[in-house]
Amino acid sequence: DIQMTQSPSSLSASVGDRVTITCRASHSISSYLNWYQQKPGKAPKLLIYGVSTLQSGVPSRFSGSGSGTDFTLTISSLQPEDFATYYCQQSYNTPRTFGQGTKLEIQ
Amino acid sequence: EVQLEESGGGLVQPGGSLRLSCAASGFNLGDFYMTWIRQSPGRGLEWVANIKDDGSEKSYVDSVKGRFTISRDNAKNFLYLQMSSLRVEDTALYFCVRGSRNFVYWGQGSLLTVSS
Repeated sequence: DIQMTQSPSSLSASVGDRVTITCRASHSISSYLNWYQQKPGKAPKLLIYGVSTLQSGVPSRFSGSGSGTDFTLTISSLQPEDFATYYCQQSYNTPRTFGQGTKLEIQ
Repeated sequence: EVQLEESGGGLVQPGGSLRLSCAASGFNLGDFYMTWIRQSPGRGLEWVANIKDDGSEKSYVDSVKGRFTISRDNAKNFLYLQMSSLRVEDTALYFCVRGSRNFVYWGQGSLLTVSS
């Protein structure tokens, strides 16, 4: 199985900050990398698929990059509604696997 | 509007069985792969199984192979997960999810607790 490792596990930031979350795959997954946002008591929400394509309705302050094994999610200017937990997920093969999550907290 | 609604969760003793159901509406179930994903504090988000649109192909994570069976009834717009030989570590919130690679539509989840 492909292991997905996110860093950091938690992050404190302020409104307006630029933040970057990284995700590393144990094997090359080409461009089969997705990012999700999850808020307490809710199902995950797809933000970005195929490394860098924004899902419909997702604000342009979110962006993704990378290829192969190393990927990043960047939020250019944090808004209050962005404080949540973020997960990466590989869709290269089965079983699909997720990172352990990065909890983004208000500083 | 796409809606997925899970049901059937509950408290089960180790070694027991349970079937989760997922009612799909707002789209033709038979046009899509479907997936079960679970989430627990200890294991995070874990892909459990998926099934091809016509039910002809199924895949499982190793930890549930031989114990869980995914199935579907496209005529009734239902997805199922039959779970047997349940273990404490199967305790989780189980989500019904549309798709195979990119998961846009999720249900609200059905909670399974395995405990004596």
